[in-house]
Amino acid sequence: AQKITQTQPGMFVQEKEAVTLDCTYDTSDQSYGLFWYKQPSSGEMIFLIYQGSYDEQNATEGRYSLNFQKARKSANLVISASQLGDSAMYFCAMREGTGANSKLTFGKGITLSVRP
Amino acid sequence: SAVISQKPSRDICQRGTSLTIQCQVDSQVTMMFWYRQQPGQSLTLIATANQGSEATYESGFVIDKFPISRPNLTFSTLTVSNMSPEDSSIYLCSVVDPADPTTGYEQYFGPGTRLTVT
Repeated sequence: AQKITQTQPGMFVQEKEAVTLDCTYDTSDQSYGLFWYKQPSSGEMIFLIYQGSYDEQNATEGRYSLNFQKARKSANLVISASQLGDSAMYFCAMREGTGANSKLTFGKGITLSVRP
Repeated sequence: SAVISQKPSRDICQRGTSLTIQCQVDSQVTMMFWYRQQPGQSLTLIATANQGSEATYESGFVIDKFPISRPNLTFSTLTVSNMSPEDSSIYLCSVVDPADPTTGYEQYFGPGTRLTVT
């Protein structure tokens, strides 16, 4: 079974509107972390936001927020006030267990296109 | 956050040859990771490189094909050996730095090396 599932093939959003990118995960660990990365066409991987499994509040970083629903095992990324520069591939990832040597597993990614 | 640089940024190589990719970090880190991203695909972990020990390879990746060096806490190299067109990918170096559990051990990536094998 896939550990990280991103099923939206591609998303389009109008500039200045909000958009939600879906991510579901599968783990039996009690302690885990969820991450979102942005990959523009240049290829670099840009860290956006992190949510720990024990965090009671949803993580926020500027225009990015993570809608964490633990019981449903979902960790959706919400981008508010979309900008043209937000057009990129977005990856959800999970680190299971504790420790810095725990592996990061990535989903297949979602392409977001922002229309002017 | 750690600043990571990679050389070369891109290369076009002939099949059967080898390419060594360098990864430099601006701070000392215990673990460095090498990922491959094939065209249109997600990231796949190749191996974890700790200073002073042999790299740990993931299933499907072997040392003969992807030898890794980790001579110190700020530098690592990945060699792609005996290349074929299937090796055409982006190769990314990554570190967990600082090793801060409160941030979930945020993982940072280098700019990547775009490799095309003809």
